Amino acid sequence: AQSVTQPDIHITVSEGASLELRCNYSYGATPYLFWYVQSPGQGLQLLLKYFSGDTLVQGIKGFEAEFKRSQSSFNLRKPSVHWSDAAEYFCAVGAQNTDKLIFGTGTRLQVFP
Amino acid sequence: DAGVIQSPRHEVTEMGQEVTLRCKPISGHDYLFWYRQTMMRGLELLIYFNNNVPIDDSGMPEDRFSAKMPNASFSTLKIQPSEPRDSAVYFCASSFSLGGYTFGSGTRLTVV
Repeated sequence: AQSVTQPDIHITVSEGASLELRCNYSYGATPYLFWYVQSPGQGLQLLLKYFSGDTLVQGIKGFEAEFKRSQSSFNLRKPSVHWSDAAEYFCAVGAQNTDKLIFGTGTRLQVFP
Repeated sequence: DAGVIQSPRHEVTEMGQEVTLRCKPISGHDYLFWYRQTMMRGLELLIYFNNNVPIDDSGMPEDRFSAKMPNASFSTLKIQPSEPRDSAVYFCASSFSLGGYTFGSGTRLTVV
């Protein structure tokens, strides 16, 4: 069965600084990987997804993520954070034969001006 | 498309009462998922449907919970009787064959 770990519960960065949120997955085959963002009181919004091909994936709002099979990681990055990026970020992993996704516990991002 | 629509947005009920949460998925999506989100347990998959058929209900906490999808445009999650520990935000999401989920805005349930 697949699983996903987000080791950082809470991250604080200054506006304009770079950001990297960590995600590690466990799955025997090539996984489907996703990053979602949740603003307070809202549902989750898809930022980007990886199925196959190029290991560097571009998403919305200036985010990107890189799939590294050797490290079982799918870290989310942004070169310059904006105050509006403050939210909770969830990594998710799916198997190839099902649409079922397993979500990590989330990383809460706080942005200081 | 209006996205995934959930109702009500907020529900406050007394312990022992029946609660019904509703979801309208995006037209054309063939998968529908019900998740529960709490501070303690994070996002938990309760049940999901493919083409209106329940595929995996192993996440449904107990017999008090039931879900139906009578047609491609409507699903319900029912809790009967409700208990305070059921208090959470319940999300519905839909997808089309590995395209990634679209989530609704959720229903915040409070059982007092």
